[in-house]
Amino acid sequence: DTGVSQNPRHKITKRGQNVTFRCDPISEHNRLYWYRQTLGQGPEFLTYFQNEAQLEKSRLLSDRFSAERPKGSFSTLEIQRTEQGDSAMYLCASSYRTGGETQYFGPGTRLLVL
Amino acid sequence: TQLLEQSPQFLSIQEGENLTVYCNSSSVFSSLQWYRQEPGEGPVLLVTVVTGGEVKKLKRLTFQFGDARKDSSLHITAAQPGDTGLYLCAGGKVGNTPLVFGKGTRLSVIA
Repeated sequence: DTGVSQNPRHKITKRGQNVTFRCDPISEHNRLYWYRQTLGQGPEFLTYFQNEAQLEKSRLLSDRFSAERPKGSFSTLEIQRTEQGDSAMYLCASSYRTGGETQYFGPGTRLLVL
Repeated sequence: TQLLEQSPQFLSIQEGENLTVYCNSSSVFSSLQWYRQEPGEGPVLLVTVVTGGEVKKLKRLTFQFGDARKDSSLHITAAQPGDTGLYLCAGGKVGNTPLVFGKGTRLSVIA
C-alpha cells in the first residue's frame, strides 16, 4: 500500500484556463475527500465521496469546480476558468467508512494561477 | 459553524525544551486527530483520540483528549530540530464526515 497519491504535484496556469487534478486513494478506502489549504490556514473541506456517490459539497465549491469519482476508485477535481484566488494547495484524503474518522492525506497539488 | 482554535499560532524554542500546543472548541467531537505538515507536503497523521480523557503517547509526544471531547493538547518533551513543522488538529464527527481543522501551530526548534 503506497498511500494516497496526487498528480500533478505542482501546476502553474494562466487566469481563465481550466485545470484538472487527480487523486488515487488508498486501495481499500471507500471514502475520498477534497480539501483546499491557503497560506497560513488549515485545510478547508470542499467535497467528499463514498464510493462513486458525491455525498456533500461545501459552499466553497463554486460552480466553476467539479469533482468526479466515476468508478469509486480515483477522483478528479476540475477547476474551470481559473482565478487568482484559486491559488492554493489542493489536498485529497481517504478513509474507510467503518474505520473511524481517521483520514489519510496525499501530498497535495499546489496550484498557482498567474 | 464548528471552529477549532489552536494556540499558540507560532512557537520558536531551543532544542531540549518542552512545549504544549492547545486545540479548543465549543463543539463536541467524536474524535480528534493531530497531523504534522511540512512545507509543500500534505498533512501526516500523528494520532487519533476518540475517548474523553484519553491520553496517547508517541515517543516524546503526548496527546490528550479533554473529558468533554471539546479540546485536546499536544505536549512535546525535549524538542528536537526534527520536530519543526506545522501541527494541525482536526475534529471529526461520527460517520466519517469531513474534518474541521484548526489553523495550526507553526513550531520551530532551534539547535
